[in-house]
Amino acid sequence: GQQVMQIPQYQHVQEGEDFTTYCNSSTTLSNIQWYKQRPGGHPVFLIQLVKSGEVKKQKRLTFQFGEAKKNSSLHITATQTTDVGTYFCAVPTASKLTFGTGTRLQVTL
Amino acid sequence: DAGVIQSPRHEVTEMGQEVTLRCKPISGHDYLFWYRQTMMRGLELLIYFNNNVPIDDSGMPEDRFSAKMPNASFSTLKIQPSEPRDSAVYFCASSLGPTPATYNEQFFGPGTRLTVL
Repeated sequence: GQQVMQIPQYQHVQEGEDFTTYCNSSTTLSNIQWYKQRPGGHPVFLIQLVKSGEVKKQKRLTFQFGEAKKNSSLHITATQTTDVGTYFCAVPTASKLTFGTGTRLQVTL
Repeated sequence: DAGVIQSPRHEVTEMGQEVTLRCKPISGHDYLFWYRQTMMRGLELLIYFNNNVPIDDSGMPEDRFSAKMPNASFSTLKIQPSEPRDSAVYFCASSLGPTPATYNEQFFGPGTRLTVL
């Protein structure tokens, strides 16, 4: 089945530092989605990437899709305490999504 | 729209009891998904429906788990008999469905936190 690896599993940063999580697939992807789950909450859709090499920005968040469409990254500039949570990538398999293992981000003052 | 609605939000039961989790998807969404989330196994897809028909139940752990979608606005996930290892957060999600070359986002409900003693 579809293999989706995310690294790191966990990262603890000081507020103001940058953060990056990576998602790697064993196969070429048609597209990739990113979700955020706050502690005690549910996954919430952030963005979808479709094109090779695509870069999209949402305020301090930058999402990138690899040229070979096998990997993706999410970069947060100058983290804030509101960024705390687990970030998941998700890739399509038939009509369903396979979620990555997630990267849990902890931000302290 | 109220989003995806799940009930109950919390359920504590004893081993051997039957548990029924409920979900109301967003109106107009053709796809409904049931997930289970644990620390050890992450977010796992259990089953999904398209237009009320189960399409893929390969993620259902065993025969103790069953899911139904009698109509477009309601689905249930039943565990009978429940066991302590079933303790997890169960999410229901819905989406409009896939389109060529892209994929519709999934909208998750708040989840049901199940504890089996």
